Amino acid sequence: DTGVSQDPRHKITKRGQNVTFRCDPISEHNRLYWYRQTLGQGPEFLTYFQNEAQLEKSRLLSDRFSAERPKGSFSTLEIQRTEQGDSAMYLCASSPSEGQGARETQYFGPGTRLLVL
Amino acid sequence: GIQVEQSPPDLILQEGANSTLRCNFSDSVNNLQWFHQNPWGQLINLFYIPSGTKQNGRLSATTVATERYSLLYISSSQTTDSGVYFCAVERGLLTGGGNKLTFGTGTQLKVEL
Repeated sequence: DTGVSQDPRHKITKRGQNVTFRCDPISEHNRLYWYRQTLGQGPEFLTYFQNEAQLEKSRLLSDRFSAERPKGSFSTLEIQRTEQGDSAMYLCASSPSEGQGARETQYFGPGTRLLVL
Repeated sequence: GIQVEQSPPDLILQEGANSTLRCNFSDSVNNLQWFHQNPWGQLINLFYIPSGTKQNGRLSATTVATERYSLLYISSSQTTDSGVYFCAVERGLLTGGGNKLTFGTGTQLKVEL
């Protein structure tokens, strides 16, 4: 068990460019979450997958954002036409699904820091 | 949605001192977790504690679900305890909250020599 991993750890891009982040959850975890954290704030929920199904999306997730988890394993989060307001830490978390014990505990990855110039 | 308030917002301690951090939440919850965010941004799980009391070394936590608050105790603080402590709650599907964690704004702790 190597924990939740995220790639890249840092990304600097120019306004208007597209960026894609990857998250690899803990291998036996069926649930995967994306959060966004801005300076001085707690993380805010963006979206959630149960296996490959995207079950919930926050209103924070504008139409420039898209997330996928095609095979129920790793997930990608893409931001199109980035804006300076997208600068933040993007965090991924995973948890076991019901019936697997300690089902509600979410474990977080190290995050991807995005800076949009 | 559910509101989560943490206090104090900032705390400075001398090494060896004890402290209590508080988390109040506005509705019943299915899940409550305490995290420590280190200076590199990594969120480290401290406790999964929707109710009751747990202890792990110098840290302990108590959640009184009926009164909608949780406390995190840090004893004999060390400089490595510095960082931001977050409380996060989940209301759960049956109560209409879904499976997302709602975080408080955190307590920034600095432990000095």
